[in-house]
Amino acid sequence: DAGVTQSPTHLIKTRGQHVTLRCSPISGHKSVSWYQQVLGQGPQFIFQYYEKEERGRGNFPDRFSARQFPNYSSELNVNALLLGDSALYLCASSPGSRGKNIQYFGAGTRLSVL
Amino acid sequence: DQQVKQNSPSLSVQEGRISILNCDYTNSMFDYFLWYKKYPAEGPTFLISISSIKDKNEDGRFTVFLNKSAKHLSLHIVPSQPGDSAVYFCAAIIQGAQKLVFGQGTRLTINP
Repeated sequence: DAGVTQSPTHLIKTRGQHVTLRCSPISGHKSVSWYQQVLGQGPQFIFQYYEKEERGRGNFPDRFSARQFPNYSSELNVNALLLGDSALYLCASSPGSRGKNIQYFGAGTRLSVL
Repeated sequence: DQQVKQNSPSLSVQEGRISILNCDYTNSMFDYFLWYKKYPAEGPTFLISISSIKDKNEDGRFTVFLNKSAKHLSLHIVPSQPGDSAVYFCAAIIQGAQKLVFGQGTRLTINP
């Protein structure tokens, strides 16, 4: 069975550019969450989507946005990139949207902003 | 505001011995706790979890203990194996909420 897949694996952008990261959840999972992990820290919650609706948002600026498609895949968009946006971006999927649903992570997209 | 803390950035243990990883939390609303393991170039992999209504959960070589009064949980790995060398993250969630709150991680190294 395929796990959570993310693309691209690595990405290099310059300040001010825009980036789109993609995620395909585990088959049958309807919830997708996005996390940012900077070096030396644990992942920080950005968004959760369930059935195409935003169900949660972390403490990130409006430059960060996301959406979920009818097939439950998701995109994370970041506008006006800053150097501080350099991080590993992780996508996680779970069967539902709440509580004990275990979140399963993809390998992430490594974003470098120069 | 670090609600979940792993105060040991690294831990080195001899193969075959017990590894104990610790985690503290401050938010008493957290009611479900998870441990994830992360190898380089891979995403975090779910290891084991525990509900706040329990104080212990076992799965093979892995046992998680929860002390609610101390707001402390620990992961015991016994016996430790070289393949256990990884970064371990403690995470907490409020059931009914959407986000996992992670600690900073502990790098475990198992020495042969």
